[in-house]
Amino acid sequence: QVQLVQSGAEVKKPGASVNVSCQTSGYSFTRHYLHWVRQAPGQGLEWLGRINPNTGATEYSQKFRGRVTMATDTSINTAYMELHSLTSDDTAMYFCAGGLDFAYWGQGTPVTVSS
Amino acid sequence: QSVITQTPSASGTPGQRVTITCSGSSANIGGFYVYWFQVFPRTAPRLLIFGNHQRPSGVSDRFSGSKSGTSASLAISGLRSEDEADYYCAVWDDRLSAYVFGTGTKVIVL
Repeated sequence: QVQLVQSGAEVKKPGASVNVSCQTSGYSFTRHYLHWVRQAPGQGLEWLGRINPNTGATEYSQKFRGRVTMATDTSINTAYMELHSLTSDDTAMYFCAGGLDFAYWGQGTPVTVSS
Repeated sequence: QSVITQTPSASGTPGQRVTITCSGSSANIGGFYVYWFQVFPRTAPRLLIFGNHQRPSGVSDRFSGSKSGTSASLAISGLRSEDEADYYCAVWDDRLSAYVFGTGTKVIVL
């Protein structure tokens, strides 16, 4: 069956970077965009960007452009999202979503930014 | 704040029909497919509707989506206690060149 398994919880200091991975299985990884979405405590869903695993082409939300990097390793069907220059506002649950039309989601990775 | 607005909450008694609406513009809802997601606390969103009105396999036909102009709606018929959750629409925005989520609607089953 389809699985998207994300890396574990992270605690970071302000100014640091965080790297979240998303290991996929059970569907054709290179055929569909892989999106990254986050939800801060008590807030709504927010789209960070997407990557085409087949070409490596990325599209980032303007809010995160210059601060986020997305990549994939097609040899192991895994996507990565790195967010730099963290502030407390980046404290959130981060999700990857793949497959056609946001069909499949990872379990989420909690990221806490605190001094 | 999102360019897509949703009513903050909607409620109904078991068995009733509840409708949630997303309001946008020609840059987003007016020109692109709308998605709907169901979100429970501390869990991943679940895709309910894609392509404005299509349901993935496994999603109950009690959930239905529609779109008219620059607004989209999600209707939940035969409301059940397990439908109590947050619901978000999402759509591509051509001006932002990004997907945008609505502000979210909390559905309360009375």
